[in-house]
Amino acid sequence: SAVISQKPSRDICQRGTSLTIQCQVDSQVTMMFWYRQQPGQSLTLIATANQGSEATYESGFVIDKFPISRPNLTFSTLTVSNMSPEDSSIYLCSAVASYGYTFGSGTRLTVV
Amino acid sequence: EDQVTQSPEALRLQEGESSSLNCSYTVSGLRGLFWYRQDPGKGPEFLFTLYSAGEEKEKERLKATLTKKESFLHITAPKPEDSATYLCAVQEVSGGSNYKLTFGKGTLLTVNP
Repeated sequence: SAVISQKPSRDICQRGTSLTIQCQVDSQVTMMFWYRQQPGQSLTLIATANQGSEATYESGFVIDKFPISRPNLTFSTLTVSNMSPEDSSIYLCSAVASYGYTFGSGTRLTVV
Repeated sequence: EDQVTQSPEALRLQEGESSSLNCSYTVSGLRGLFWYRQDPGKGPEFLFTLYSAGEEKEKERLKATLTKKESFLHITAPKPEDSATYLCAVQEVSGGSNYKLTFGKGTLLTVNP
């Protein structure tokens, strides 16, 4: 089963700056996913990232705000750009495993 | 309209007091229903996948069941270490992305010793 290492685990950032979150999988996976988890809300899918193609974004999320890279079958990054306090949240990456979906440990982002 | 609704939002149990968590869903076609456990500061940990009505799966003190409209996570004789947020997610058969998971808001379970 795939294990995902995600970093950073947490960060405090100034508004207007950008943060890049990295996820490394210990095996090759075709599809990776990025989620946002806001307090009291359900996990919400931001985008699906396939290697070798542009990410597919869900309604309400745009590439200029959340650019994603997927350079190979074991790695992906999500950048949160031009941050505002409303971007404070937990961000999680996920990948399809043999039994279902596995998740990284999350990045807790606070924008001040 | 929420596609996945979990109840209750929070549940407090005494150690050994069995109970059930509910996940109701409204999708046109279900590809799979997933249960996860999430501890504070960690990512969701996979528990079960259910694919068709009538299916049941067990793991230690947990048992998941599925009907055409809802799923239950039964917790038998819980221990304090079972305290966590339990998340339900559905994967819908659709013409677009067949891999998208739609999550409920979760049930926060606290088991007191």
